[in-house]
Amino acid sequence: QQQVKQSPQSLIVQKGGISIINCAYENTAFDYFPWYQQFPGKGPALLIAIRPDVSEKKEGRFTISFNKSAKQFSLHIMDSQPGDSATYFCAASKAGSARQLTFGSGTQLTVLP
Amino acid sequence: GAVVSQHPSRVICKSGTSVKIECRSLDFQATTMFWYRQFPKQSLMLMATSNEGSKATYEQGVEKDKFLINHASLTLSTLTVTSAHPEDSSFYICSAWSQRGNTQYFGPGTRLTVL
Repeated sequence: QQQVKQSPQSLIVQKGGISIINCAYENTAFDYFPWYQQFPGKGPALLIAIRPDVSEKKEGRFTISFNKSAKQFSLHIMDSQPGDSATYFCAASKAGSARQLTFGSGTQLTVLP
Repeated sequence: GAVVSQHPSRVICKSGTSVKIECRSLDFQATTMFWYRQFPKQSLMLMATSNEGSKATYEQGVEKDKFLINHASLTLSTLTVTSAHPEDSSFYICSAWSQRGNTQYFGPGTRLTVL
């Protein structure tokens, strides 16, 4: 019930294309869904996050789409750039759990120049 | 965003020695910090939750006597890997919970190599 399933495991996109990464969760108590970006040898950095009271959140080229009934959320990277090449993790947490994050397995994104 | 630092960034030690890793929240107070372990091309695995002024809560399968955690102040948590062995070699990452930001901020990680 704590699991967050992420797909695909790896993704190759041409420069300027749209990158889409999907996550699904089981625990309906989750109420916070962040996405993290991690470069090799670095810690994860918060990219964008959403709460279930909205269906979409956009920050620059990054958009989270959230489907509460399907228990799914996805990250869309518009106009993907080579500098976006990194590993992306979705995560989820619930109130009252010291905000422990349950992470997805990660998606290695490669944006070709 | 908020800044979390880790020191050292990388450490190489001999088998049997102990290694201490520091995690600091630089511009906010963190009553709760987390310690993660990450193997190459894998996700982050939560090791323990560190609460200021109290004992850490360890995840199942994590040896509390091997991975000592101390959260002595609102801005500092330490992880000590005792009697390190080659299988402890990994990337250790801390995070700090920011009440103001209502999210976790991660440190840059520490690469531990045990020879």
